[in-house]
Amino acid sequence: NAGVTQTPKFQVLKTGQSMTLQCAQDMNHEYMSWYRQDPGMGLRLIHYSVGAGITDQGEVPNGYNVSRSTTEDFPLRLLSAAPSQTSVYFCASKKDSAFYGYTFGSGTRLTVV
Amino acid sequence: KQEVTQIPAALSVPEGENLVLNCSFTDSAIYNLQWFRQDPGKGLTSLLLIQSSQREQTSGRLNASLDKSSGRSTLYIAASQPGDSATYLCAVSLDNDMRFGAGTRLTVKP
Repeated sequence: NAGVTQTPKFQVLKTGQSMTLQCAQDMNHEYMSWYRQDPGMGLRLIHYSVGAGITDQGEVPNGYNVSRSTTEDFPLRLLSAAPSQTSVYFCASKKDSAFYGYTFGSGTRLTVV
Repeated sequence: KQEVTQIPAALSVPEGENLVLNCSFTDSAIYNLQWFRQDPGKGLTSLLLIQSSQREQTSGRLNASLDKSSGRSTLYIAASQPGDSATYLCAVSLDNDMRFGAGTRLTVKP
């Protein structure tokens, strides 16, 4: 089992560029989510999905877009990158029950210049 | 809004010492609490998961307790080793969200 796989590991973007952060899991987890981690602020939820075709916003959704066409994949799109989106992004998944714990990917470090 | 606080923010101890990391949360309506370890530049590794109905969980030298009514959890690390040096995060699980503390950065000196 690979668990949760994120690509790329590092990315530098110019302001205004768009890109997609990839996330895939092979554990047949229904729930997937994206977090960003900023110094001194902990991890904050961007978007989440409880199954294919179902997505919803988290705490900090502005500037990001998601879709869930398959159970395995949950890409995060930056529509027009801004320096405020410089952060480390983590994808997480779990079984669709509140009583299960989360499994995290290794993260994508994004710098917007 | 659920707030999660971890104290201390940083801790340095000599090897072999037993230590306690603290986590507090403001709303007791949680499903579970999870402790993670994060090494510099790496992802989060799950250490222990405590359901809201449980009082503690143990894994090797780690023991986590949960007092939901008072909004507190502790992570006890026995006989600390330099390899335990990392940032430890606690997180409380809500319906479709997980709220994280800012973490405790632990350094274990040889």
